[in-house]
Amino acid sequence: DGGITQSPKYLFRKEGQNVTLSCEQNLNHDAMYWYRQDPGQGLRLIYYSQIVNDFQKGDIAEGYSVSREKKESFPLTVTSAQKNPTAFYLCASSIDRSTGWTQYFGPGTRLLVL
Amino acid sequence: SQQGEEDPQALSIQEGENATMNCSYKTSINNLQWYRQNSGRGLVHLILIRSNEREKHSGRLRVTLDTSKKSSSLLITASRAADTASYFCATEYFQIQGAQKLVFGQGTRLTINP
Repeated sequence: DGGITQSPKYLFRKEGQNVTLSCEQNLNHDAMYWYRQDPGQGLRLIYYSQIVNDFQKGDIAEGYSVSREKKESFPLTVTSAQKNPTAFYLCASSIDRSTGWTQYFGPGTRLLVL
Repeated sequence: SQQGEEDPQALSIQEGENATMNCSYKTSINNLQWYRQNSGRGLVHLILIRSNEREKHSGRLRVTLDTSKKSSSLLITASRAADTASYFCATEYFQIQGAQKLVFGQGTRLTINP
């Protein structure tokens, strides 16, 4: 089965703690993305990566960090500097311009603060 | 912000009726896409319309694009209870260089009443 997996489904963070959200894809897509979604809102781009070992900040990168060491994996770390991390986090991947950068989404991780 | 705006924010109709959602954007685009999100899930791509196209169909979906008005509409005909979801438009803006990305609207919450 080809697709994008995100884990865990729910994640709890304590004050001052860094947490890492996993995103893996076996679609052989070059581009990967992380979005944040707040209740009743649209998606806001956190980070994106076109190729391995390269990534770009999105609109709300402060308090987050990423790595892209493998084509299949694009983990997101929510650092203690992110003061309001409670949200639904979505990972996506896309092929290239020929598809208009059509994105395939994972099932999401809901992050809650204890 | 380059983010598109969707209208209405919420729409409730009876099963069998048609549902129309609108999306407006601010600058020239390469393409516009529509996605669906069931509650608590990832987004699913529905349809893409390129800037040189005016109308596209996919099953019960009809999308129009008016680049002079910078707007698009999504029509779902003969609605079903399973169409209950949030619908998002996403635009790919022309960028001279750098990684491409989509900008998502705030979404329309559609409820189909049996």
